[in-house]
Formats: sequence, structure tokens, C-alpha cells
Amino acid sequence: QVQLQESGPGLVKPSQTLSLTCTVSSGSISSGGYYWSWIRQHPGKGLEWIGYIYYSGSSDYNPSLKSRATISVDTSKNQFSLKLRSVTAADTAVYYCARENRVRFGDYYFDYWGQGTLVTVSS
Amino acid sequence: DIQMTQSPSSLSASVGDSVTITCRASQDIRNDLGWYQQKAGKAPKRLIYAASSLQSGVPSRFSGSGSGTEFTLTISSLQPEDFATYYCLQHNDYPRTFGQGTKVEIK
Repeated sequence: QVQLQESGPGLVKPSQTLSLTCTVSSGSISSGGYYWSWIRQHPGKGLEWIGYIYYSGSSDYNPSLKSRATISVDTSKNQFSLKLRSVTAADTAVYYCARENRVRFGDYYFDYWGQGTLVTVSS
Repeated sequence: DIQMTQSPSSLSASVGDSVTITCRASQDIRNDLGWYQQKAGKAPKRLIYAASSLQSGVPSRFSGSGSGTEFTLTISSLQPEDFATYYCLQHNDYPRTFGQGTKVEIK
């Protein structure tokens, strides 16, 4: 059973960079067909897809983040990371890492998720 | 971006009731839609894939229908463990977009 675990600071100051890492266990991040994603949920609100990275390094992002997000992968550590620059209070949310399963053509879904980590942006 | 409009935002129902949740896509997404259930403090879990196929292990009281731009999730005979928030998610294109969510509460 694949497991994902987020780690990183729970408090970030406005205008600084939010940095989170997701460690994948019981499965290889280099397996084909899986897209390693970040999703966030503002307090009491819905879900927002942030972006993904593939083990090869290709990535895609939500345009709503206005190019503030960067996702990277470290296959040697079986980890992927999120950096979100110039944060404001509006970036306060629970951040989830998740695996998007695209193994079967046309049937794509988030099959494994981390437990989520609350990041608060405040001075 | 494909916008997913979900309704209602919340509903109250009793154990044994049948409820229906609707998602509308801003453009044709064929059947590239899943329904997810999220319980408080937990990550979402997929219930329905390809708009109408039941995920393995999910009770048959959950069903989905629709294609193109209109989709529904029906829960027949609500059980206590079904009280949660439900989201639709389109995987037709990036960015992936979720509906706003429907919170199903106990009446």
C-alpha cells in the first residue's frame, strides 16, 4: 500500500516562500503512469489542484497561482516538493500531496493521498 | 479552465433517504468525471469513476450518471457513515477542477 507523508513548516510569514515535501513509501516515485500532485483546501472550503510533476521532471501548474508555484522531484529520495512564493493569508490551507493514477488510458484519478498538513500564513 | 458547478452546497437528510447531487461542467468533458467522498479531517476517497462506474469496494447504494456536461451522484438509502462532503472532479483536461462540494448532514 503506497503511503504519502507531507512535511514542512506549519507557519509561514507573508511574502515568504512556502516549502513542503512529500515522502513516498511502499512504492517508487519513478513508476510510470503516476503523476505526483499537490492539492490544497482552504479552511472550510473546497479543493484546489495546484500542479503535478512526473518522475521525468515534466510538470504542469494551475494558472490561478500566477506562476508562484514550483514542484520538483528527487527520485533518489523518493520525494517531491512544492515551493509557493510570495505567499499571503489567502494561501492559508491544508496542503495535500497525492498520486494521480494515469496507468489506464482515460481513467485518471487521485488514488493515494497524504494526511494533509495545515500551513498558516501569518506574521 | 473547465469550471465545475456543483449543487446543492449542502443538504439535510435522514437515514434511509435518497439524495441526488448534481455537477455541471462548463464544456463537454465526455464521461471524464469522478465523485469523491471526504470525511472530516480526512483525504477524499473516490466512489465513482467514468461518471457512472462504481469503484471497487464502494457500496452499491452509490450510483452516478451523466455525460457531456451534466452529471449526478445518487445515494439511495443513506446510511450513518454516508454523512460527509462530496466532490465531483473532472479529469478531461488540466488544470484538474473540483466542484465546490456538497455537505450531506443529518436531519
